[in-house]
Amino acid sequence: AQSVTQPDIHITVSEGASLELRCNYSYGATPYLFWYVQSPGQGLQLLLKYFSGDTLVQGIKGFEAEFKRSQSSFNLRKPSVHWSDAAEYFCAVGAGDDMRFGAGTRLTVKP
Amino acid sequence: EAGVAQSPRYKIIEKRQSVAFWCNPISGHATLYWYQQILGQGPKLLIQFQNNGVVDDSQLPKDRFSAERLKGVDSTLKIQPAKLEDSAVYLCASSLGGLDKNGYTFGSGTRLTVV
Repeated sequence: AQSVTQPDIHITVSEGASLELRCNYSYGATPYLFWYVQSPGQGLQLLLKYFSGDTLVQGIKGFEAEFKRSQSSFNLRKPSVHWSDAAEYFCAVGAGDDMRFGAGTRLTVKP
Repeated sequence: EAGVAQSPRYKIIEKRQSVAFWCNPISGHATLYWYQQILGQGPKLLIQFQNNGVVDDSQLPKDRFSAERLKGVDSTLKIQPAKLEDSAVYLCASSLGGLDKNGYTFGSGTRLTVV
């Protein structure tokens, strides 16, 4: 079965600084890969997804992620963080007919 | 298009009581999911419906949890009796058909506190 690891439980960055959130997955083939964001009291919003083709995918809100098959990783990046990006971020791997989530990384943005 | 609707938003009950959550998926979405998200963890799939049939309920604690989707649209998730460890956010999600290229659309969730 597929699984996802997000090594960083909590990350703090200054506003305007760059951001990278790590995600590693385990699956025998190339899965579908997703990043979701969850603001307090809200559901999960899809930021971006990867299925095949170009390994660098662009998402909403200025986020991008790069799929690296050799490292089984799908890290999320943003060149300049805004205060409104403070939230919980979840990486997810989909295969077959279901999706499994990582434990999440909480992002704090310092002014 | 309207999103996935869930109610109630919050619920506080005592242990051993029963509780029910309701979900209305996006119109036309055949697949519906219930996830449990315990504080500090990622969402965990409880049950997946395809129309009104169960596709996967392997992680549903069937001694106390039940779910139904009688007409292939709305769904209810019930817990009876509730335990302290059931305190979590219960998320409903829907998709056109299984895991597709749009992922799932999630509702805002129901936050359950068991005291």
